[in-house]
Amino acid sequence: DAGITQSPRHKVTETGTPVTLRCHQTENHRYMYWYRQDPGHGLRLIHYSYGVKDTDKGEVSDGYSVSRSKTEDFLLTLESATSSQTSVYFCAIRQSQVNTEAFFGQGTRLTVV
Amino acid sequence: AQSVTQLDSQVPVFEEAPVELRCNYSSSVSVYLFWYVQYPNQGLQLLLKYLSGSTLVKSINGFEAEFNKSQTSFHLRKPSVHISDTAEYFCAVTPPGTYKYIFGTGTRLKVLA
Repeated sequence: DAGITQSPRHKVTETGTPVTLRCHQTENHRYMYWYRQDPGHGLRLIHYSYGVKDTDKGEVSDGYSVSRSKTEDFLLTLESATSSQTSVYFCAIRQSQVNTEAFFGQGTRLTVV
Repeated sequence: AQSVTQLDSQVPVFEEAPVELRCNYSSSVSVYLFWYVQYPNQGLQLLLKYLSGSTLVKSINGFEAEFNKSQTSFHLRKPSVHISDTAEYFCAVTPPGTYKYIFGTGTRLKVLA
């Protein structure tokens, strides 16, 4: 494992409720990412971070916000969960622009009912 | 903008037979290329990568991929598959000097006894 912990691993929530997913890394890597994985779509980037308090949007950022107040933690928040946000969410980390590999967490399975 | 196409969503193959998983990409700039593997209920693991140099790259478990610039392809091959190779395989690209990875939609390899 690359020192990435996602929590929770599974969550069921109701439509309209806020949800926060946490990604914690022990590698001190600069870059962190949130992806969602859906059948037929592969992995799609939600948001990413290139440093503390430095974040940017990915291709499917609507309905999501992120925060990174410490190097080791990257939080993904669904402000008001919808059924279309039922998915498996993966966090990834990357050390630097020179180091090209991204390492992935185990995923969080979120179900919005 | 870059894109990645994995035309085969599922590939069934008998044990000890050869397999090829296809990946084509579209980019107006040079890119780094990756294959990731995802076993059931797990995150993605890097299988192999092409950055530069020799166009044939190999993994420790017998997979290889060849970068073909004229065909804009990075197909993954293995001469003899095992049951344990059953997984989903994702091709990804990232332009040098950027943070983002673009993933294909994945190919589910099912090895049959």
